Amino acid sequence: EIVLTQSPGTLSLSPGERATLSCRASQSVSSSYLAWYQQKPGQAPRLLIYGASSRATGIPDRFSGSGSGTDFTLTISRLEPEDFAVYYCQQYGSSLSFGGGTKVEIK
Amino acid sequence: QVQLVQSGAEVKKPGASVKVSCKASGYTFTGYYMHWVRQAPGQGLEWMGRINPNSGGTNYAQKFQGRVTMTRDTSISTAYMELSRLRSDDTAVYYCARDRLELQDYWGQGTLVTVSS
Repeated sequence: EIVLTQSPGTLSLSPGERATLSCRASQSVSSSYLAWYQQKPGQAPRLLIYGASSRATGIPDRFSGSGSGTDFTLTISRLEPEDFAVYYCQQYGSSLSFGGGTKVEIK
Repeated sequence: QVQLVQSGAEVKKPGASVKVSCKASGYTFTGYYMHWVRQAPGQGLEWMGRINPNSGGTNYAQKFQGRVTMTRDTSISTAYMELSRLRSDDTAVYYCARDRLELQDYWGQGTLVTVSS
């Protein structure tokens, strides 16, 4: 099973700042089958990014993904108030597994 | 529009079983796999497995093999997840989610299962 480790656990930032979230895999993720989801309190997760760098339908372009192999990054270029949430990476190239999450909170 | 509506909250005793339903609408039920994902209170997401509603074929995460059973009833566009031999650490919100190329594009509202003596 591929284990995903996300860092940092919590990111404290102000609206308008740039957020950089990391996801590291215990082994190479085939064909960049890496996705990012956003989850707000009391809600189900929402798909943001798939294939490491492709935005899902309706996702604003301030969200971008990058990386390959074992190291992946989600970047939010300018935080909007609605972006404060928990973000999970997921690999779907070998079975399916999620990282532990990064909470982006208001500083 | 695509909707996944799950059954209501459950309270179970340790050792019992729980069966959660997920009724799909707004798309062809048999055309998309259905995943089940759970989330313990204050914790992250955990994939449990998926079912092919067309064939009934399943893939389960190794952790849940032997304890989870996923089924479906195509006549009412509903998927089911049954978890047996419940323990206190099975207390979680259980989600169904429609598959799109191994991703999950639509999610149910979640069903809270509480295991307590």
